[in-house]
Amino acid sequence: SQKIEQNSEALNIQEGKTATLTCNYTNYSPAYLQWYRQDPGRGPVFLLLIRENEKEKRKERLKVTFDTTLKQSLFHITASQPADSATYLCALITGGFKTIFGAGTRLFVKA
Amino acid sequence: NAGVTQTPKFQVLKTGQSMTLQCAQDMNHNSMYWYRQDPGMGLRLIYYSASEGTTDKGEVPNGYNVSRLNKREFSLRLESAAPSQTSVYFCASSGRGDSGGELFFGEGSRLTVL
Repeated sequence: SQKIEQNSEALNIQEGKTATLTCNYTNYSPAYLQWYRQDPGRGPVFLLLIRENEKEKRKERLKVTFDTTLKQSLFHITASQPADSATYLCALITGGFKTIFGAGTRLFVKA
Repeated sequence: NAGVTQTPKFQVLKTGQSMTLQCAQDMNHNSMYWYRQDPGMGLRLIYYSASEGTTDKGEVPNGYNVSRLNKREFSLRLESAAPSQTSVYFCASSGRGDSGGELFFGEGSRLTVL
């Protein structure tokens, strides 16, 4: 069956450290992969998109990698801040108009 | 510029009652979507509309109907609500055709079915 897996356990890190979140998928051949941020009680907000032929994408303190052989994406937040505390969602776009989401990983950054 | 607006924000229904969730976007996007979000299960696609005049089923369409009223508006109807439909519902829109464009989400509609 098709699955997108994100670490269901919350990630707790100290301010200033790099947070690394993982997204693994099976039985998909995504054309694109996206990362979203969701704060409690709010809708998800788009952060980054990476295409299947791109290995890495950066935006300010954010970095995403995409390994289609391992079927994995890593999402890094460098110099993390308490304001980065949120749930981060991985999403796959397999073609057409459907975007499929993982369940998300909660990140807590302690001051 | 409001983006994606959903109404109502909160609703409590009794089993068997019907209701419609409204969604409107002001970004001139072609594609619109309805998702539901449940704890531990992530966002699941209910229905989507690739363009005005078209609608298609997503992953969990049973118990729902949709209407793409015009380019701006996409409504989700529960004809006979069930407790299993207790969830947070998100409407989203996208300007993409078949590229990897971002989804813009509303703030959610929290529905409880008793």
